Amino acid sequence: DAEITQSPRHKITETGRQVTLACHQTWNHNNMFWYRQDLGHGLRLIHYSYGVQDTNKGEVSDGYSVSRSNTEDLPLTLESAASSQTSVYFCASSPGTGNTGELFFGEGSRLTVL
Amino acid sequence: GQQLNQSPQSMFIQEGEDVSMNCTSSSIFNTWLWYKQDPGEGPVLLIALYKAGELTSNGRLTAQFGITRKDSFLNISASIPSDVGIYFCAGHGGGTYKYIFGTGTRLKVLA
Repeated sequence: DAEITQSPRHKITETGRQVTLACHQTWNHNNMFWYRQDLGHGLRLIHYSYGVQDTNKGEVSDGYSVSRSNTEDLPLTLESAASSQTSVYFCASSPGTGNTGELFFGEGSRLTVL
Repeated sequence: GQQLNQSPQSMFIQEGEDVSMNCTSSSIFNTWLWYKQDPGEGPVLLIALYKAGELTSNGRLTAQFGITRKDSFLNISASIPSDVGIYFCAGHGGGTYKYIFGTGTRLKVLA
């Protein structure tokens, strides 16, 4: 079955380190997204991509970057991790064609920055 | 960021009871989505709605796309213990990247 997978599921790192969270989808979806989920804030958009070589900033993009070199993957990089980036990160994808706005999420990556 | 108003915020119900929750927006949407999220897991898409007035079922779940396109409702019939979790809605305007999410309804089912 097609799916969207994230790795690692749990990560502990130190302030200042670079961290990359992987996201891989096998639906051949055009659109991919990264969100962070925090108590009291819900899901907030970090970055999104409409297709290969396309990346765009979301509402909380400072300190994060993404790259889209193929359809399947959208890795999220924290250039220099900060304690404020301790959160649960969700990757999501949507077909991006027709009228469907269905959005499918991965299982999440819990990041702790010490 | 912007969030949709979702109510109730939480509810305790007895097993076998029906549950209703709703989501309202000040904006018009082309798509309404309903999700369930269990602790430590990602949101799972339950139902997608695409047309005003549309009523769609998925097992014991039924959701409706409000006629004004500014609200949506989710009903769960004959609740069971595994229905426990957080349910949230999402609205999508179509043609854009932006999904707006509800604040969530935490459901607890008493056996």
